[in-house]
Amino acid sequence: ETGVTQTPRHLVMGMTNKKSLKCEQHLGHNAMYWYKQSAKKPLELMFVYSLEERVENNSVPSRFSPECPNSSHLFLHLHTLQPEDSALYLCASRPTGGYGYTFGSGTRLTVV
Amino acid sequence: QKEVEQNSGPLSVPEGAIASLNCTYSDRVSQSFFWYRQYSGKSPELIMSIYSNGDKEDGRFTAQLNKASQYVSLLIRDSQPSDSATYLCAADFGNEKLTFGTGTRLTIIP
Repeated sequence: ETGVTQTPRHLVMGMTNKKSLKCEQHLGHNAMYWYKQSAKKPLELMFVYSLEERVENNSVPSRFSPECPNSSHLFLHLHTLQPEDSALYLCASRPTGGYGYTFGSGTRLTVV
Repeated sequence: QKEVEQNSGPLSVPEGAIASLNCTYSDRVSQSFFWYRQYSGKSPELIMSIYSNGDKEDGRFTAQLNKASQYVSLLIRDSQPSDSATYLCAADFGNEKLTFGTGTRLTIIP
């Protein structure tokens, strides 16, 4: 474990379902991120939260809805997804001071 | 647009040789640079960070930074089959996030 925990590890959902991905860190980091990684493609930044405020929404469709209730938790709410949304969803956190990210293990999402 | 560029590979290196991975970046104000290793189906793992010009060594890994030429490299000495992975270069452009390259796929040939 890296100190950033993501659940669930795997998720299969239908296109009409609603589900949520959870990310939790107790590293004292101030910034948290959602990334999408599709097969054989680079990391795509989705959302950035700094001190619990969303500071970036990288043109993500509204069927993805983030929530950051406190500095330790980050959620990604999913609804009416498309098969092309199937990917590895990665959460990361970062302390202040220009350090690197710590990534969670990811959620492998399959939309059927 | 601030960018980080890497050769996507694949890069094949014989076991025991030195693997050399390169990365260039577009913004001169970048101060922090990172190398991540990602095994297939797994999440990226931070293996090196470098903040000042020159070399930084950690075990078999050496990161090199040249800010004047805007490149960062990662050398892996005595390459092992377990080093086979995709290596991601990332830069901090001072905007609350890291900017990643597309990654270089490295294969160590036994």
